[in-house]
Amino acid sequence: GIQVEQSPPDLILQEGANSTLRCNFSDSVNNLQWFHQNPWGQLINLFYIPSGTKQNGRLSATTVATERYSLLYISSSQTTDSGVYFCAVEGNTPLVFGKGTRLSVIA
Amino acid sequence: DGGITQSPKYLFRKEGQNVTLSCEQNLNHDAMYWYRQDPGQGLRLIYYSQIVNDFQKGDIAEGYSVSREKKESFPLTVTSAQKNPTAFYLCASSRLNYGYTFGSGTRLTVV
Repeated sequence: GIQVEQSPPDLILQEGANSTLRCNFSDSVNNLQWFHQNPWGQLINLFYIPSGTKQNGRLSATTVATERYSLLYISSSQTTDSGVYFCAVEGNTPLVFGKGTRLSVIA
Repeated sequence: DGGITQSPKYLFRKEGQNVTLSCEQNLNHDAMYWYRQDPGQGLRLIYYSQIVNDFQKGDIAEGYSVSREKKESFPLTVTSAQKNPTAFYLCASSRLNYGYTFGSGTRLTVV
C-alpha cells in the first residue's frame, strides 16, 4: 500500500517564527489532506489539496503530485498552533496517515 | 450544522466484554470509516463502508465488527477477541472531491 513519510517528527519554534512541514508519499493519489490534532484529540481539517497551492490565513500548502510530496507552511507561529500535524493520502484505498509532526510553539 | 457525532466520549470496558461505539453523520456522505489511534502514533484503518449494507476490512479489523444499516450510522463493536482495545477511536465520513471529516473521537480504556 501507499507509504506516507512526514518530516520532521518533532519541531520546536519560538512564537513568531515560520516553519515548513513536509509529506512524501510513495504512489499517485487522488486525495491529500493536512490535519491538525488539538490537545483534545480532535482532527481539524486544514487543507484538502491533492494538487496545487492553497492558502488560509497564516497557513498555506502546496502539493506537487508528479513528484509525490506536499508542504505545509506555517507563518508567524502562535502558541495555539501547537499540536500534531498529520498528512494523509488516498489512492486506491481509504486515507492513509503519516506518523505526524509534533509542533511546540513557545512564547 | 452538519457534522459527525461520536458517543460516548469516554468508555471503560471490562475484560471479556463487548462494547459498541456510536457514529452518526448528517452530512449525507456515502462513505464512512473507523480509525484507531494509539498514543504517539498515526491513525490506522479498522473498517470502512462505501454504501449502505456493505463494508470492507481495513488494516487492523481483527477483533472488531461493524454494521451499516442506515446511511447516517456506522457503529463499531469492539469484541472480547480484541486483545489490546485501549486506544482512541475516530469515525469519519467522506464525499468525493471534498475529503474526509472526522468526529471528536471515543477514548476506550480496559479496566
